[in-house]
Amino acid sequence: AQSVTQLDSQVPVFEEAPVELRCNYSSSVSVYLFWYVQYPNQGLQLLLKYLSGSTLVKGINGFEAEFNKSQTSFHLRKPSVHISDTAEYFCAVRGAQKLVFGQGTRLTINP
Amino acid sequence: GAVVSQHPSWVICKSGTSVKIECRSLDFQATTMFWYRQFPKQSLMLMATSNEGSKATYEQGVEKDKFLINHASLTLSTLTVTSAHPEDSSFYICSARDATSDQETQYFGPGTRLLVL
Repeated sequence: AQSVTQLDSQVPVFEEAPVELRCNYSSSVSVYLFWYVQYPNQGLQLLLKYLSGSTLVKGINGFEAEFNKSQTSFHLRKPSVHISDTAEYFCAVRGAQKLVFGQGTRLTINP
Repeated sequence: GAVVSQHPSWVICKSGTSVKIECRSLDFQATTMFWYRQFPKQSLMLMATSNEGSKATYEQGVEKDKFLINHASLTLSTLTVTSAHPEDSSFYICSARDATSDQETQYFGPGTRLLVL
């Protein structure tokens, strides 16, 4: 069975600082990994995904993530955050026909 | 591309009434749609998987007679909360997969907030 662990429930950072949101997964089948962002009172927006190929994946809004098979990780990074990045971030792994989500990480940007 | 809409965005209803939520894929065909429920400050919980033209597959613990799902076309799925009670108050989110291009990615709607009084 697939599972996802987001190691930090909350991450506060200062504006223009770099950030890393951590995600570890377990999967017994082919690995497809996703990061979604959820702004308050909204649905989820796809940030980026890893299906195959290059392990460094670039997404929207300046985010990127690196798939590390040996460490079973898919951490999300951004070199310089903005106030507008304040949101909830969800890591997900594709299971048998469905997505399995982590518990989410709340990213708070302080001025 | 890959836009999913939901209607309504907000609904308030009295206990005992039924509420229908629509999920539409606007620019692609979705053979599979998913319905999730999200409680405050929590992750998404999959309720059911809906395949066009067939019965929905419900997750363990989800009452299929209470949460009726219909997926009558490739662009529309509906979730009806029957005889709603205050404990059904939640944020309901649908998602859809584009069957013709990327079969691995789900695109999410903006969600519907249901408040049952």
